[in-house]
Amino acid sequence: AQKVTQAQTEISVVEKEDVTLDCVYETRDTTYYLFWYKQPPSGELVFLIRRNSFDEQNEISGRYSWNFQKSTSSFNFTITASQVVDSAVYFCALSEAGDMDTDKLIFGTGTRLQVFP
Amino acid sequence: DAMVIQNPRYQVTQFGKPVTLSCSQTLNHNVMYWYQQKSSQAPKLLFHYYDKDFNNEADTPDNFQSRRPNTSFCFLDIRSPGLGDAAMYLCATSRDPGRGYNEQFFGPGTRLTVL
Repeated sequence: AQKVTQAQTEISVVEKEDVTLDCVYETRDTTYYLFWYKQPPSGELVFLIRRNSFDEQNEISGRYSWNFQKSTSSFNFTITASQVVDSAVYFCALSEAGDMDTDKLIFGTGTRLQVFP
Repeated sequence: DAMVIQNPRYQVTQFGKPVTLSCSQTLNHNVMYWYQQKSSQAPKLLFHYYDKDFNNEADTPDNFQSRRPNTSFCFLDIRSPGLGDAAMYLCATSRDPGRGYNEQFFGPGTRLTVL
């Protein structure tokens, strides 16, 4: 069965602190994709990154970095030097290659990040 | 800018009174999705269209219906809203299905209140 677990319901940090959001997934597919989305207070989910199951290279984009480890089925997201604008709910999601007519996402329950000035 | 638009942003309806939410997209994507998101929960997929082919999730209540008259527009109809249907409804699109590869593009959502 497919499942995404984000154990951290809410995290609060002070601006400029680093913060890591955890994501653990379950799937039986050998080909799958992992995503992170950001949902600011305005409500719209914004795509941040996609990783495929065959690419375990870590990725860095500005203050954001992602650590994908198949051995632990984890896809963690780190924000370096957090800013108030990073305050949002962050969702980790899984998509499996088995569906031919959709890119269906299985979402975790989200982590609410609050960054205080 | 190419985008996903949802109208209205806020909708208030009465218990049992049918309501329609709309979504339009300028991305020319073939796949459109409707999600229900309740407070502090993950988005839950209700159904999706691949072109004109409708795909219902197994646990989506019959109370929820959808129409896609053309590529650009998709509607969510709630035939008899109950208090439990109060939620944010998100519309999303993706390109031709990529076996899980393609990211989804989301609209800002419609927050539905049921009185």
